[in-house]
Amino acid sequence: AQSVTQPDIHITVSEGASLELRCNYSYGATPYLFWYVQSPGQGLQLLLKYFSGDTLVQGIKGFEAEFKRSQSSFNLRKPSVHWSDAAEYFCAARRSSYDKVIFGPGTSLSVIP
Amino acid sequence: GAVVSQHPSRVICKSGTSVKIECRSLDFQATTMFWYRQFPKQSLMLMATSNEGSKATYEQGVEKDKFLINHASLTLSTLTVTSAHPEDSSFYICSAPSGGWNEQFFGPGTRLTVL
Repeated sequence: AQSVTQPDIHITVSEGASLELRCNYSYGATPYLFWYVQSPGQGLQLLLKYFSGDTLVQGIKGFEAEFKRSQSSFNLRKPSVHWSDAAEYFCAARRSSYDKVIFGPGTSLSVIP
Repeated sequence: GAVVSQHPSRVICKSGTSVKIECRSLDFQATTMFWYRQFPKQSLMLMATSNEGSKATYEQGVEKDKFLINHASLTLSTLTVTSAHPEDSSFYICSAPSGGWNEQFFGPGTRLTVL
């Protein structure tokens, strides 16, 4: 069955430290991959997406993600975290162009001053 | 970017009543929309795919007679929770793909509380 997993339920980092959020997918072929952020009381915001091509994808707010086919992973990174980055982060995938988006369980990020 | 709105943003109802939630694509047409449910501290779970002019496609385990979906126009899909019970209390989110499906745009969500 198609699925998206995020091994870390909750992560705490210090402000200014680097961040990596893990995401693994289980699909027959490489899916379309997304990272979304959901802040308290806010809607979902797309950080970045990967469809094909360069495996290192740049997104908004200083985030980037690297697609690794051999590891079925699409990890999200940020070199220096800001307090405003505290939120819920969801990795998501879509099997093909015209298909539903399936979300991973999410990783809650806390940022310590 | 494209905007998806939802109405109402919050609703409180009594157990046994029905509640309708609207999802609108404000500046683009959407032949397909998706409905998700999100319980507190949990992820978004896809409930159904709403197709303009045809029946919705429900995910396994979602009761289609309880969660009625109507996609009557290219800009509006509605989700009606029939005979709501406290366990239906949740955050309901709709989304619509852009033309070409390069991106999905999400509504701000509707918080349903059933007393």
